[in-house]
Amino acid sequence: KQEVTQIPAALSVPEGENLVLNCSFTDSAIYNLQWFRQDPGKGLTSLLLIQSSQREQTSGRLNASLDKSSGRSTLYIAASQPGDSATYLCAVRRSNYQLIWGAGTKLIIKP
Amino acid sequence: NAGVTQTPKFQVLKTGQSMTLQCAQDMNHNSMYWYRQDPGMGLRLIYYSASEGTTDKGEVPNGYNVSRLNKREFSLRLESAAPSQTSVYFCASSEWSGGGYTFGSGTRLTVV
Repeated sequence: KQEVTQIPAALSVPEGENLVLNCSFTDSAIYNLQWFRQDPGKGLTSLLLIQSSQREQTSGRLNASLDKSSGRSTLYIAASQPGDSATYLCAVRRSNYQLIWGAGTKLIIKP
Repeated sequence: NAGVTQTPKFQVLKTGQSMTLQCAQDMNHNSMYWYRQDPGMGLRLIYYSASEGTTDKGEVPNGYNVSRLNKREFSLRLESAAPSQTSVYFCASSEWSGGGYTFGSGTRLTVV
């Protein structure tokens, strides 16, 4: 059974720091892995999608990596800003139209 | 803006009432999904439609029905609302089995 774990559950850092969020999964048979952010009371915004054949994806200050063999993905945020404060979710897509979700990392960036 | 549109954004129902949540996407995606999100439970799949004309149960389908009206629209119906169905409901779509998901902004439903 595929399980997805996100560490840490919460993170508070000063503005300007670079930070890494972690996502691990137990079954390497995945189609892709997607990182989302969710602001309080809002919907989910897709940040980065990494296909199973890819090693990383980049968008602006965000970089996501994928190591299928070890069952890990990281989301790197450079030069963090207060606007980056949100809950970050990773989700692994299996072959049968199902996303397996991590519980999320709540990120607070202090001005 | 292109994406997934859900209506309504908020709704309060009395126990036993029925309602339909509407979802439409304009990205020409084949697959559509309904999720619910509860505190401490994360996102759980209610129903999905892999393609127009097909629907399948997800993790928590009891108490719900769905209709894939056409390629753009996928509705979720609560026939007899219960307090346990108080939740935030999200609709999503994806292009193909290996594609990423796009989510709507959600419907916050309270059943009293």
